[in-house]
Amino acid sequence: DVKVTQSSRYLVKRTGEKVFLECVQDMDHENMFWYRQDPGLGLRLIYFSYDVKMKEKGDIPEGYSVSREKKERFSLILESASTNQTSMYLCASIHSGTNNEQFFGPGTRLTVL
Amino acid sequence: AQSVTQLGSHVSVSEGALVLLRCNYSSSVPPYLFWYVQYPNQGLQLLLKYTTGATLVKGINGFEAEFKKSETSFHLTKPSAHMSDAAEYFCAVSAQGGSEKLVFGKGTKLTVNP
Repeated sequence: DVKVTQSSRYLVKRTGEKVFLECVQDMDHENMFWYRQDPGLGLRLIYFSYDVKMKEKGDIPEGYSVSREKKERFSLILESASTNQTSMYLCASIHSGTNNEQFFGPGTRLTVL
Repeated sequence: AQSVTQLGSHVSVSEGALVLLRCNYSSSVPPYLFWYVQYPNQGLQLLLKYTTGATLVKGINGFEAEFKKSETSFHLTKPSAHMSDAAEYFCAVSAQGGSEKLVFGKGTKLTVNP
């Protein structure tokens, strides 16, 4: 069975902290994505990666960075967390060259106080 | 560029009634179309997808959707709602042969009343 896991389901951090959100997939997928989900706004793409050490900005990259050192792992980094980054964060992956069906992790609900 | 519009951020139906969730898309190239469902505090799960071929696609849990190119629509239906269908539903589009990014609609929250 396809599996995408995220390191935490719930996370509470303070303003200014550096925050790491981890995502791991066991499907040998090339492409991985980070989204944030907010009520009434749907899912918005933050960053994606189509190969190890490769990354591209999505629609809302400001305040975020990413790291992909291994194929199975894609990390989202909040360099200095702010209250407007309180959100649900979803990771997804896809096998390159397929019909673009993305597989999602369970999400991390981040609260920044 | 692509975009998705989901009409109605909240839809309420009675148990046993027809479910109809509307999705219209914009795409300059042939699209792939998806419906995902999200249960409370969970990630997204694929309900069904249109890639090529048959325009009426069937998914899990009795849902189906029809790709209508002339109307640029991909509405989701289920003949008889069940309490367990209460969730948020997202329509998404991507480009055939293009970037593997998905563009999502803003979601429709479905409530099923007993």
